[in-house]
Amino acid sequence: NAGVTQTPKFQVLKTGQSMTLQCAQDMNHNSMYWYRQDPGMGLRLIYYSASEGTTDKGEVPNGYNVSRLNKREFSLRLESAAPSQTSVYFCASSEGHGVLETQYFGPGTRLLVL
Amino acid sequence: AQSVTQLGSHVSVSEGALVLLRCNYSSSVPPYLFWYVQYPNQGLQLLLKYTSAATLVKGINGFEAEFKKSETSFHLTKPSAHMSDAAEYFCAVSDLGSGNTGKLIFGQGTTLQVKP
Repeated sequence: NAGVTQTPKFQVLKTGQSMTLQCAQDMNHNSMYWYRQDPGMGLRLIYYSASEGTTDKGEVPNGYNVSRLNKREFSLRLESAAPSQTSVYFCASSEGHGVLETQYFGPGTRLLVL
Repeated sequence: AQSVTQLGSHVSVSEGALVLLRCNYSSSVPPYLFWYVQYPNQGLQLLLKYTSAATLVKGINGFEAEFKKSETSFHLTKPSAHMSDAAEYFCAVSDLGSGNTGKLIFGQGTTLQVKP
């Protein structure tokens, strides 16, 4: 099992460009999440999908959109990148969406917006 | 609303010494608490979680944490540090205010340095 995979590993964008971060899991999990990690701020939830066909905003959704393409895949799109979106992005998944669920994280995508 | 605070963004210990990473939480209801570890250039992985079944929780790699309601704390400890423990550690709490969604609220993280 690969677990949670993310592509690309690293990306440089210019302000105003768009891109989609891809995430896939092979654990047959129902719930998936997108976080951003910034120094001194821990991880903050951008969007999540409790189950296939549903998506909801997290703590910092502005400037992002998501698509739960199927049970395996959950993508994050930046329509018009801004320097403030320079960050490390993590995708995670969990079997269910209960409060005790363990989340499994991908290796991250490092994004630099110039 | 739930929140967690990790005291000390950077902790340095010698190999073989006690590891103590501090986490305090704020919650109006009994919390569900987690410790995750992030090794360099990797994603996070679960160390342990508090589910209210027992106040002393044992996790992987010799780590444990004790839930103390009176102190609103969930500190992470390991009796003897190993070089391989060098990583960033995150305390997190389930966001119970959002219903049964599994959303986590993370602390700021503590980087553990282990000196030979």
